[in-house]
Amino acid sequence: DTAVSQTPKYLVTQMGNDKSIKCEQNLGHDTMYWYKQDSKKFLKIMFSYNNKELIINETVPNRFSPKSPDKAHLNLHINSLELGDSAVYFCASSAYTGPSTQYFGPGTRLTVL
Amino acid sequence: GIQVEQSPPDLILQEGANSTLRCNFSDSVNNLQWFHQNPWGQLINLFYIPSGTKQNGRLSATTVATERYSLLYISSSQTTDSGVYFCAVPTQGGSEKLVFGKGTKLTVNP
Repeated sequence: DTAVSQTPKYLVTQMGNDKSIKCEQNLGHDTMYWYKQDSKKFLKIMFSYNNKELIINETVPNRFSPKSPDKAHLNLHINSLELGDSAVYFCASSAYTGPSTQYFGPGTRLTVL
Repeated sequence: GIQVEQSPPDLILQEGANSTLRCNFSDSVNNLQWFHQNPWGQLINLFYIPSGTKQNGRLSATTVATERYSLLYISSSQTTDSGVYFCAVPTQGGSEKLVFGKGTKLTVNP
């Protein structure tokens, strides 16, 4: 029973392509997040959604577009991929917006060639 | 914005040893979380500990919010404890927007 799942686990693609990463949580949580972990393991929040509504949108290029069809799913679409987009992308969820424990998915390692 | 510093950056132990990891933060917080990233990349939430002390098996954590630091104790370390330990605090107030430290990389040798 995976709590927060992501697909795919690995994604290798060429510069200029468009790709999507899917995330689902079965914890009944209201809030979901996307984080980016760079090659130095630094973790930075990108987006946060609460019950399908965008609440955090960090300084992220507009090539990145999150979409939340329902509160259990938060997908990340990336247009015109660049070399610098190579990273591990983590989805996470928490019970509510505000100070609450965040649970992370297994990550998607994106490599742009 | 809030600054988060973790120390030491790297730690190498023999199996069975104890260790203490430290997280300092620059502003008052009401939310502090410790995570373990194992060698396969999975991020596991260890503690949600805005203040006080919590224990979970061989791990325990203490946050002294008034002095702006938190400690993670690992006792009788095992090779499976290897990985990177992160602490994270909110950018402001009760925000869910977490800022992560750079982590402590722990290697436990058999």
